Amino acid sequence: GENVEQHPSTLSVQEGDSAVIKCTYSDSASNYFPWYKQELGKGPQLIIDIRSNVGEKKDQRIAVTLNKTAKHFSLHITETQPEDSAVYFCAANDQAGTALIFGKGTTLSVSS
Amino acid sequence: DSGVTQTPKHLITATGQRVTLRCSPRSGDLSVYWYQQSLDQGLQFLIQYYNGEERAKGNILERFSAQQFPDLHSELNLSSLELGDSALYFCASSVFGESSNEQFFGPGTRLTVL
Repeated sequence: GENVEQHPSTLSVQEGDSAVIKCTYSDSASNYFPWYKQELGKGPQLIIDIRSNVGEKKDQRIAVTLNKTAKHFSLHITETQPEDSAVYFCAANDQAGTALIFGKGTTLSVSS
Repeated sequence: DSGVTQTPKHLITATGQRVTLRCSPRSGDLSVYWYQQSLDQGLQFLIQYYNGEERAKGNILERFSAQQFPDLHSELNLSSLELGDSALYFCASSVFGESSNEQFFGPGTRLTVL
């Protein structure tokens, strides 16, 4: 079945720096790749997603890139702020197209 | 606020007991997904319902079952509880049943089995 690897598991940056989180997936049939942000005590919040017919997508300070050939996708956060501190999860839809398979998460800490 | 509601927020129970977790999807969403989040396993897909019918099963134990009612709310039933069932349980909803649809998560139910 689909497997999603995510790294790094923890990432510490200074406010204003950029942060990059990378994921690889195993199933070439996957065509949807969302990113979620989870703050302490809350449910995962969808922050951006990308589909396989697009190579890059931006939303203000957040961007996601997808390399279908290499089967990896990345989340880029620019001008990080303390409120960006959270756990970030990448995901890919499975071969059957019914479920999302999640990476293990990256704990991002932004210090001011 | 995603528009997905879950009750209760916290649940503490004993081994061997049975509990029911409830989820109401966003208005207009037909599909409900259940996930389990634990420290060692991360976010694991359990089961999906679409418009009242079971659509997909993931790593769901036989002691667990779910259903989706005509008003589209869903319940996850966990029985013969074990210590290892302690986890966060999330439901998510989407408009349709395909996993390429955006899924919106509820705030979760924290289950503690003592």
